[in-house]
Amino acid sequence: DAMVIQNPRYQVTQFGKPVTLSCSQTLNHNVMYWYQQKSSQAPKLLFHYYDKDFNNEADTPDNFQSRRPNTSFCFLDIRSPGLGDAAMYLCATSRRTGTLAKNIQYFGAGTRLSVL
Amino acid sequence: AQKITQTQPGMFVQEKEAVTLDCTYDTSDQSYGLFWYKQPSSGEMIFLIYQGSYDEQNATEGRYSLNFQKARKSANLVISASQLGDSAMYFCAMREPRGNTDKLIFGTGTRLQVFP
Repeated sequence: DAMVIQNPRYQVTQFGKPVTLSCSQTLNHNVMYWYQQKSSQAPKLLFHYYDKDFNNEADTPDNFQSRRPNTSFCFLDIRSPGLGDAAMYLCATSRRTGTLAKNIQYFGAGTRLSVL
Repeated sequence: AQKITQTQPGMFVQEKEAVTLDCTYDTSDQSYGLFWYKQPSSGEMIFLIYQGSYDEQNATEGRYSLNFQKARKSANLVISASQLGDSAMYFCAMREPRGNTDKLIFGTGTRLQVFP
């Protein structure tokens, strides 16, 4: 059974029209991440939540926002999508313990966003 | 800052043969973690194997093993007895501390194709 679930799998939006991507997890992990992966590139971290603490990457555009209303859910909001925002968006979770140790990140299947 | 280098954009291997995917890394930290992920065409990032910098033995998980050479800063993935289902992108990643958690720094990936 999928433990990190992303909805929808495919999303088509119009240039400038706000869009929200969803991620839920059944692992009870305290850290949730959002990565952007453009075609033929490596994933790039946008931001992450450690419990309710939000951590934004310095180069993440303001156009990208996130919400985590509870442990299980995390949302990625793109306020005004541009053509350059077309990508795969990957959600991941991990359990942060006293030491980083293994701290494996588990990923969802991703949402492929197209911008017309 | 950490850096991951994967120099093989693509690799071919015949079914049932073994294949090695190269990964070198750069870090000034003494304690670090290295990961390998598989990404099929469907998009999901699947965790394969983890190696901690202080682990005395090379990690193994089923048909996957990690050839960890600390002095050379390499962490090559070895897949034994390749199967057609192994055809995918493979990413090497390193954990980078980020605030009170961490993030993954990915290499550019190697596309593996297994042929009959």
